[in-house]
Amino acid sequence: NAGVTQTPKFQVLKTGQSMTLQCAQDMNHNSMYWYRQDPGMGLRLIYYSASEGTTDKGEVPNGYNVSRLNKREFSLRLESAAPSQTSVYFCASSLGGWDGYTFGSGTRLTVV
Amino acid sequence: GQQVMQIPQYQHVQEGEDFTTYCNSSTTLSNIQWYKQRPGGHPVFLIQLVKSGEVKKQKRLTFQFGEAKKNSSLHITATQTTDVGTYFCAGGGTNTGNQFYFGTGTSLTVIP
Repeated sequence: NAGVTQTPKFQVLKTGQSMTLQCAQDMNHNSMYWYRQDPGMGLRLIYYSASEGTTDKGEVPNGYNVSRLNKREFSLRLESAAPSQTSVYFCASSLGGWDGYTFGSGTRLTVV
Repeated sequence: GQQVMQIPQYQHVQEGEDFTTYCNSSTTLSNIQWYKQRPGGHPVFLIQLVKSGEVKKQKRLTFQFGEAKKNSSLHITATQTTDVGTYFCAGGGTNTGNQFYFGTGTSLTVIP
C-alpha cells in the first residue's frame, strides 16, 4: 500500500548539474502532477499529466522537463540546476477530473 | 500568478480555542479542496466542496463554500495539539485551466 513514492528524499546539486526526480504511484490513478513548495508561496504546479501520454505546463514550468513514462511513473528533470530551484518538490496523483490528490513524501532539493 | 489567496498566514492559539482560515479566489470556482500538512510532512487531502453554500463537517472541523463559490473557510472548534500544521485550500475551475491552484496556506500553532 505504498501510494505515491518519490526518490530521492534529499539531494544537493551544484549549479549547472542535472538530475531527475522519480515518482511512481500504485493506485491506478490517471493523472499525475509535480509541485514545488517554497516558504510563503504555497504549492505551485510545475507540470502535470492528465493521462498517460499527455503532459502540460503548469504555473512555473521554466527550467524543468517531464516524462510520463507509463501510467505509474512521472519523472521531473532539471537539465541545468539553478539556486532558484532550491525547493521541496512534491509529486501527486489523482483519478482525474476534480478528484482529491494523493501526495508523495517529497524531495528536498538544494542547489548550491 | 496566484489566483487563490489564503489568510491568515500564521495563527497561534491556546489549546481549546477555536481557529478559522479563509480562502478567497478572484474567479468563480467549480470546487474547492482542503489539505493539511504536518510539519515536515506532505499535504493530505481532507475534503472537497462542490455546491454553492455547502457546509461539511469532520468531527471538530467545519468546511464552508461561499454562495458565490469564490471563497471558503475551515473552522476548527476547540483546537488540540494534534491540529498543528499548515492548512491549504486548493481551488479548481474552468478559469484555472481545469487545474487546482493552491492557496499560500495557514500555519497553525497550538500552545498547550
